[in-house]
Amino acid sequence: GENVEQHPSTLSVQEGDSAVIKCTYSDSASNYFPWYKQELGKRPQLIIDIRSNVGEKKDQRIAVTLNKTAKHFSLHITETQPEDSAVYFCAASITGNQFYFGTGTSLTVIP
Amino acid sequence: DTEVTQTPKHLVMGMTNKKSLKCEQHMGHRAMYWYKQKAKKPPELMFVYSYEKLSINESVPSRFSPECPNSSLLNLHLHALQPEDSALYLCASSQGGSVYEQYFGPGTRLTVT
Repeated sequence: GENVEQHPSTLSVQEGDSAVIKCTYSDSASNYFPWYKQELGKRPQLIIDIRSNVGEKKDQRIAVTLNKTAKHFSLHITETQPEDSAVYFCAASITGNQFYFGTGTSLTVIP
Repeated sequence: DTEVTQTPKHLVMGMTNKKSLKCEQHMGHRAMYWYKQKAKKPPELMFVYSYEKLSINESVPSRFSPECPNSSLLNLHLHALQPEDSALYLCASSQGGSVYEQYFGPGTRLTVT
C-alpha cells in the first residue's frame, strides 16, 4: 500500500518567517494530496489540497507544490502568525475514499 | 448546513458497557468515514460507507460495529471495549465520486475504564 513520510516532526519559526513542511509518497498512482491543520483539542481542518495534474496551488499565505517525478509535495506558509501554530498532516490518496496520512508536523510560531 | 456534527463530545464507559457514537451531515455527501486518532498521531481509517454501503473495513475488531441508517447518519456501536480503545473518534464525510475532499466532525473523546 501507499506510504507517506512527513518531515520535520517539529518546527519552530519566528512570527513573520516562512514555514515549509515536506511529504514524500511511494505509490505513483496517488493523485490527490490534501493538507490538514489540527489545533489542540479540535478537528482536522482541510486547509489546501492539490491534484496530480497541477504542480502548484496557492491560497493567500498558504501554498502547496507537487513534484510527481520525485513523488514529493510540500506545504509553504508565508508570513506566519501565532494562530498558525498547530499540527499539520499531509495525506495521499489514490481512490479518494482512503487517505494515507503522514505522521504530522507540530508547528510553533514564536511571537 | 456545512458541518459534520458528532455526539456525544465526551464518553466514559466501562469494559462491559454498550454505547453508540453518532455522526450527522446535511451537505448531501454520499461517503462517510470513521477514524480513530490517538494523541499526537494521524487519524487511522476504520470504516468507509459509500452510498450507504460499507465499502472499506480496515480489519477493525468486531467490538466496533458501524451502521449507516441513511445517507446523512453514521453510527458506531461500541461493545466490550478495552482501555487501549480510548481515543478521539472522528467522523468525516465527502461528496463521493470524483470529489475527494473530506470534512471532519469535532470528534468524540472516548475513555474506556
